[in-house]
Amino acid sequence: EVQLVESGGGLEQPGRSLRLSCVGSGFTFDDYAMHWVRQAPGKGLEWVSSFSWNSDSIVYADSVKGRFTISRDNPKKSLSLQMNSLRPEDTALYYCAIGALDYFNYWGQGTLVTVSS
Amino acid sequence: QSVLTQPPSASGTPGQRVTISCSGSSSNIGSNYVYWYQHLPGTAPKLLIYWNDQRPSGVPDRFSGSKSGTSASLAISGLRSEDDGDYYCALWDDSLSGVVFGGGTKLTVL
Repeated sequence: EVQLVESGGGLEQPGRSLRLSCVGSGFTFDDYAMHWVRQAPGKGLEWVSSFSWNSDSIVYADSVKGRFTISRDNPKKSLSLQMNSLRPEDTALYYCAIGALDYFNYWGQGTLVTVSS
Repeated sequence: QSVLTQPPSASGTPGQRVTISCSGSSSNIGSNYVYWYQHLPGTAPKLLIYWNDQRPSGVPDRFSGSKSGTSASLAISGLRSEDDGDYYCALWDDSLSGVVFGGGTKLTVL
């Protein structure tokens, strides 16, 4: 059974940093692109960033480009999202997902990030 | 404002057929595969349709997808109460060099 477990969310002040992690199991980690997708309170889904299976492609949404950094550690079956210069509009439930570069087969349950002073 | 336009809401009674549309442009729907996700309250989103009209294993055949030109549709037949939730179209946008989601459609089963 595919499992994706996110962690690292919490309350942080604007301008500060947070690091999210996602650990996967039940699948061959190296075979999949990995993603972060978020949902702000009362809003729809928003793609954040993706890391291709072969590390050829790392892409970001314009809303986080230059502030967020995605990384993956295949031996540890983990995905991370370093979030710097946080803004109130980054407040959201952050989902980790796997799939191809353009879609998401499986999703985790999410970790909540709240940016507020 | 998303580059993919979905109606904000849709509704139907049990057993009915409902259709949710997704309108885009030549740089997204017109040139790439469309995907549909189901997001039920309190759960993680779920891939419902991939490659425009394919169902992952385990997705009932009540759900079907189609695409024509720069528009796509998700049809749900034999509507059931457990279908109540949000539905999103999504795909790769060549102009944005990333994935875009539609604004989502809240389906209410009356």
